[in-house]
Amino acid sequence: DQQVKQNSPSLSVQEGRISILNCDYTNSMFDYFLWYKKYPAEGPTFLISISSIKDKNEDGRFTVFLNKSAKHLSLHIVPSQPGDSAVYFCAASEANAGKSTFGDGTTLTVKP
Amino acid sequence: NAGVTQTPKFRILKIGQSMTLQCTQDMNHNYMYWYRQDPGMGLKLIYYSVGAGITDKGEVPNGYNVSRSTTEDFPLRLELAAPSQTSVYFCASSYTRSSGNTIYFGEGSWLTVV
Repeated sequence: DQQVKQNSPSLSVQEGRISILNCDYTNSMFDYFLWYKKYPAEGPTFLISISSIKDKNEDGRFTVFLNKSAKHLSLHIVPSQPGDSAVYFCAASEANAGKSTFGDGTTLTVKP
Repeated sequence: NAGVTQTPKFRILKIGQSMTLQCTQDMNHNYMYWYRQDPGMGLKLIYYSVGAGITDKGEVPNGYNVSRSTTEDFPLRLELAAPSQTSVYFCASSYTRSSGNTIYFGEGSWLTVV
């Protein structure tokens, strides 16, 4: 049973437009959510996070939205840039738990 | 500013051989992890450690062993390598807080078992 799901393996958008990456989870005990970005031949790097007590967190061009009732979160990138082309992983963890559960990732391609 | 360092970067093993992937972090993090990533798949947790002397199994521990004798080091041992262990391995660390933890990853180790 996969507790964190990213149902879109890939997404392609035009430079300057909005990219929306989605993530669903099933474990109601998750209370902290993170997005990581991964370039080829590199390790994932932290991008943005959100606590379950919030429904939105913004950092520059990146905004994460959390809908607890739907157990759904999304990452918005506006405007999208070619350098944003990477694999994006959604992750979730329970309070005070060191472990995070990752989704399978979405490959974003931003076309110039 | 090293962060999480893992070695080797690339390795080819023959079936049945053993090897150790080394990992060290210089951020004084209490948690350390080993993940594997198969092509087109997400990150699967192999083993993790909440501190020196304490380790626990993750989702896919079979065929692996770990130890944590110091805060800094968390080596992953592969015994009797099998083709199913061909993967990219990521070591990671974090400092867990009640508000959640951000995981810092190493650059990865590409392992091929032939």
